[in-house]
Amino acid sequence: EVQLVESGGGLVQPGRSLRLSCTASGFAFGDYAMSWVRQAPGKGLEWVGFIRSEPYGGTTEYAASVKGRFTISRDDSKSIAYMQMNSLKTEDTAVYFCARGTTYGDPNWFDPWGQGTLVTVSS
Amino acid sequence: DIQMTQSPSSLSASVGDRVTITCRASQRISSYLNWYQQKPGKAPKLLIYAASSLLSGVPSRFSGSRSGTDFTLTISSLQPEDFATYYCQQSYSTPLTFGGGTKVEI
Repeated sequence: EVQLVESGGGLVQPGRSLRLSCTASGFAFGDYAMSWVRQAPGKGLEWVGFIRSEPYGGTTEYAASVKGRFTISRDDSKSIAYMQMNSLKTEDTAVYFCARGTTYGDPNWFDPWGQGTLVTVSS
Repeated sequence: DIQMTQSPSSLSASVGDRVTITCRASQRISSYLNWYQQKPGKAPKLLIYAASSLLSGVPSRFSGSRSGTDFTLTISSLQPEDFATYYCQQSYSTPLTFGGGTKVEI
């Protein structure tokens, strides 16, 4: 069974950092792009960023709202994707989902998704 | 950035109804359009990818179509488990963007 499990969320003060993890199982992790999508309380979905698979350079793309503050990385030996979030702002408060992309370089669609982890940025 | 305008933002329907949700892209995106279903407190689930391809395991009452930059998700006969919020998403170019969502209520 393909499964994604996020961890690392919690309450953090503005300006501080947090690292989220997405542990994958049930598929060849190294072949797939991996994405992060967030959802603020009561709001819609917002794409945060993705990392391509190593065959496509392992490069990253980010939304403008997080570029320069968030960094996505991957450890294919452990089947884990990470997202380092620095200089957190109150507007970063959201449930963060990781999602599997495709094997085509960029994640043409997201399937499946993890259950999400809540990040609350507040003093 | 490509804007995805989804309509309506909410609708009321009954079991057995035919439901249509529309998503309009602000520029050409070919068929790089996906549809997701999200129930309260749960992660989204992919229903349709590449505008009209039904994900394996998704009931055939769900279908997607494209006309230019207009995309449609149709539920042919609404079932109780279909009451949820639906989102479109373009994957033509970054930043990847979602529509604002359509809440389907009883």
